Amino acid sequence: DAGVIQSPRHEVTEMGQEVTLRCKPISGHDYLFWYRQTMMRGLELLIYFNNNVPIDDSGMPEDRFSAKMPNASFSTLKIQPSEPRDSAVYFCASSFWGYNSPLHFGNGTRLTVT
Amino acid sequence: DAKTTQPNSMESNEEEPVHLPCNHSTISGTDYIHWYRQLPSQGPEYVIHGLTSNVNNRMASLAIAEDRKSSTLILHRATLRDAAVYYCILFEGNTGKLIFGQGTTLQVKP
Repeated sequence: DAGVIQSPRHEVTEMGQEVTLRCKPISGHDYLFWYRQTMMRGLELLIYFNNNVPIDDSGMPEDRFSAKMPNASFSTLKIQPSEPRDSAVYFCASSFWGYNSPLHFGNGTRLTVT
Repeated sequence: DAKTTQPNSMESNEEEPVHLPCNHSTISGTDYIHWYRQLPSQGPEYVIHGLTSNVNNRMASLAIAEDRKSSTLILHRATLRDAAVYYCILFEGNTGKLIFGQGTTLQVKP
């Protein structure tokens, strides 16, 4: 298995632009998680899905952020409009069954908003 | 959210065992103890997890206190490739959330 695949690896954009981050989970995994990592705040859970349904989005910072999972093999995290404080590394992870199963993380998308 | 407390940093010599401690005094009965590590410029990598009993796998061992308020990750023979940030996390059984703390930065000296 190729593991969790995220794209792009790096994204540089200007303030106000829309940014879309993509994630392909491991086949068969029914949980998908989006995390954000910054030096100041560490790894923060933004949202997670079970069987394509959003379960908890309490970590989404504000309405500019939205996440979708249209099918079991694809998820997106969108920021519109982007701001410099959104600059971070965004990780996607997937797992079986949730809390009793290991999470498999992708290599992340490094977002820079100028 | 359930919380864990870890030392900010630790040092070890190559080929020696490493014991990474974690306190989780507010753990609930359904919380699993997970350990992950993160190498530079990579996503976190699963190491081991357990509920009540000690656990072993090819990467490490996990020793869980009888009252479950603390645990220790044991790397039996540290290598330079084990230098990473190690996160001790409670995977919340009632919410399904995996909440990361600040972790322990492990340095391994040759």
